Amino acid sequence: NAGVMQNPRHLVRRRGQEARLRCSPMKGHSHVYWYRQLPEEGLKFMVYLQKENIIDESGMPKERFSAEFPKEGPSILRIQQVVRGDSAAYFCASSPENTGELFFGEGSRLTVL
Amino acid sequence: QKEVEQNSGPLSVPEGAIASLNCTYSDRGSQSFFWYRQYSGKSPELIMSIYSNGDKEDGRFTAQLNKASQYVSLLIRDSQPSDSATYLCAVTAGRRALTFGSGTRLQVQP
Repeated sequence: NAGVMQNPRHLVRRRGQEARLRCSPMKGHSHVYWYRQLPEEGLKFMVYLQKENIIDESGMPKERFSAEFPKEGPSILRIQQVVRGDSAAYFCASSPENTGELFFGEGSRLTVL
Repeated sequence: QKEVEQNSGPLSVPEGAIASLNCTYSDRGSQSFFWYRQYSGKSPELIMSIYSNGDKEDGRFTAQLNKASQYVSLLIRDSQPSDSATYLCAVTAGRRALTFGSGTRLQVQP
């Protein structure tokens, strides 16, 4: 059973470009979560999705950031017009139910030049 | 006030000793409590969950929960150098997603 798959693992963008991060949850998991982690800091919740629905996006900046989890295909976290402060590791996690027992992907490390 | 607070450390213990990691949370409605371990450069992995007051043991790990004091702890017995990592406390309530503390870095000295 494959784990949570995230790609790309590393992404370099220049200021003003767009970043798209993809996450395929574990088989049988319909709950997906995105977290951001800055160096030497904890995980900051961004958004929680269930198939085709955003359940909680209270941690996501109102501008430039969006997320989706379509009926078919991976969940996507999209960052438009990236700025240097967006440089971070973005972790996706999935679970079969919203129990708090999350399975994390290896993360996507975004560097904004 | 942060929702979940942890001492950032580093907490340094000698090999074979007991490591004690602590966490407090602010939301009295929190219902589920977790400890995740994160090695440097890696993703977090779940090591313990606890849902009711008291102790829960799993191998060398014991999680302790005191809801009245809004306090969660993790004890690691017979600490090994391989336990050196950052330990993240996390809580959730209702339909809310998991909220993490900033983590405590543990160093086990050989």
